[in-house]
Amino acid sequence: GNSVTQMEGPVTLSEEAFLTINCTYTATGYPSLFWYVQYPGEGLQLLLKATKADDKGSNKGFEATYRKETTSFHLEKGSVQVSDSAVYFCALRGGTSYGKLTFGQGTILTVHP
Amino acid sequence: GAGVSQSPSNKVTEKGKDVELRCDPISGHTALYWYRQSLGQGLEFLIYFQGNSAPDKSGLPSDRFSAERTGGSVSTLTIQRTQQEDSAVYLCASSPQDYGYTFGSGTRLTVV
Repeated sequence: GNSVTQMEGPVTLSEEAFLTINCTYTATGYPSLFWYVQYPGEGLQLLLKATKADDKGSNKGFEATYRKETTSFHLEKGSVQVSDSAVYFCALRGGTSYGKLTFGQGTILTVHP
Repeated sequence: GAGVSQSPSNKVTEKGKDVELRCDPISGHTALYWYRQSLGQGLEFLIYFQGNSAPDKSGLPSDRFSAERTGGSVSTLTIQRTQQEDSAVYLCASSPQDYGYTFGSGTRLTVV
């Protein structure tokens, strides 16, 4: 079956630091990959997505590249802000589980001024 | 409506009671999903409805859990004889097709 593994958290950074949150996956076929973000007290929001190998998803300064050779979809941002503090979830759809999303366990990010 | 609406936002119930959680998807969205988010855990898939097809119930954790979707719109997740391990945030999402989910804010269920 499908699975998603995210780096262990929590992650604590100072403002303007570089962010990487690792995500690797296991799936058959050609899944679509997603990053979702959950800000404090809010629902899950789609941050970015990529639907095929070598695609780069980007939004709000965040980027992630679909790497089929390493089965990875790492999230990066060059300069984080306090407002980026949230929980980040990597997810995939497709392969053997068409229709439903399979999520990683989430990574808590805290950014200090 | 503008987004996915879930009710109630919070529910406290006694162990052994039944509860119903409601989800109003975005109008016109054919796919509807229920997930569960437990403290310190990721999101666990529960059930998926797509149009008039038979739902994918593969994620329901026990036969105490059931869900229905009436008229291809509103969905109700029912938990019978609640247990303390059922305490979690129950999230609903909808999609115009199998893509681009929009999540509701969830129902926080506490079983005491």
